[in-house]
Amino acid sequence: DTGVSQDPRHKITKRGQNVTFRCDPISEHNRLYWYRQTLGQGPEFLTYFQNEAQLEKSRLLSDRFSAERPKGSFSTLEIQRTEQGDSAMYLCASSHTPGNYGYTFGSGTRLTVV
Amino acid sequence: GIQVEQSPPDLILQEGANSTLRCNFSDSVNNLQWFHQNPWGQLINLFYIPSGTKQNGRLSATTVATERYSLLYISSSQTTDSGVYFCAVDAGGTSYGKLTFGQGTILTVHP
Repeated sequence: DTGVSQDPRHKITKRGQNVTFRCDPISEHNRLYWYRQTLGQGPEFLTYFQNEAQLEKSRLLSDRFSAERPKGSFSTLEIQRTEQGDSAMYLCASSHTPGNYGYTFGSGTRLTVV
Repeated sequence: GIQVEQSPPDLILQEGANSTLRCNFSDSVNNLQWFHQNPWGQLINLFYIPSGTKQNGRLSATTVATERYSLLYISSSQTTDSGVYFCAVDAGGTSYGKLTFGQGTILTVHP
């Protein structure tokens, strides 16, 4: 297993466009998380899944954001009608429960909205 | 929600020096992790340490859960240790599984 994979690594988009990011977790991990990190800050929680069920969404996740994890495998995060304030690093992580041995993060997708 | 404070915010060292990074948290936790974020943005899991002491090479960590703090020790620092170190906690309960991060400590190691 090569860890958590995210695609693309970088995305530049024009304001108002829609973007979609993909995350492939470690295969035996049943939990998948999305975080957002802006410059100079620690990552902030957006949402997480246990298998295919989305269990919690942060207030940071406006109606323009949607996440899915069909069949409990990979996940996608879509941002509709992007705004300049959406520019950030979007990080995906996975973990295994029960046991909670900690998170493994992917390399992130850096979004720039121009 | 739970608050996480890290100190110092910035740390500059000469190669070979030792350092201690601190993480204070405002409530009991069932998970605490230390991460190193490299210049390319990758968060590397250093320790999963809700309590006790662990060591991995030149790095070690201690969490005193009853006093709500954790320490990360870096000995004989190298330039490759440069980057941002984050402490993150999972408060459990209704927040189970969700990590709250501190603001990080920016470490710069000069040759």
